Amino acid sequence: GQNIDQPTEMTATEGAIVQINCTYQTSGFNGLFWYQQHAGEAPTFLSYNVLDGLEEKGRFSSFLSRSKGYSYLLLKELQMKDSASYLCAGMDSNYQLIWGAGTKLIIKP
Amino acid sequence: GAVVSQHPSRVICKSGTSVKIECRSLDFQATTMFWYRQFPKKSLMLMATSNEGSKATYEQGVEKDKFLINHASLTLSTLTVTSAHPEDSSFYICSARVGDLEQYFGPGTRLTVT
Repeated sequence: GQNIDQPTEMTATEGAIVQINCTYQTSGFNGLFWYQQHAGEAPTFLSYNVLDGLEEKGRFSSFLSRSKGYSYLLLKELQMKDSASYLCAGMDSNYQLIWGAGTKLIIKP
Repeated sequence: GAVVSQHPSRVICKSGTSVKIECRSLDFQATTMFWYRQFPKKSLMLMATSNEGSKATYEQGVEKDKFLINHASLTLSTLTVTSAHPEDSSFYICSARVGDLEQYFGPGTRLTVT
């Protein structure tokens, strides 16, 4: 079956760095997405990885290892506004997104 | 960037009535639109995939007669919740896709059935 696993909740301190891990199993693979979702709002796109390695985009970076079925989202210089849920989603061979349950990130001053 | 709108953003209706939610791609033509449902503190649950001019493909467990989807044009899809009940109260989100990859999400519609 298809499955996305990520931690339910994480806590970090303002100004610090946090890494949110995601493991995936999909029928075929067309990439791994990370979305940010604030409470009561729709998800917004953060990153897309289809090749192994690290993609850096400002304070956010995303890593993919296809052989391990593993990805992480790295957030640097955390700000209070980064408090949100972070959704990992794998795209299968039919270009359908398989969603994880999301990781709620709590930022403390 | 691509913008997807949803209307209404919030709706409260009485049990037994029907509610229509519109999803529009404002500056692009979407080959495919998706309808999701999200319960509090849960991930997105895909309800159906909608292609313009054809019948929607519903996910297992989603009642097609209860959740009517009409994709009349490349920029508009509608979801009608028929004979709504309190358990239908949820956050409904649409997304539109261009090509094979990225989906652009609408802002969501909060439905409360009393």
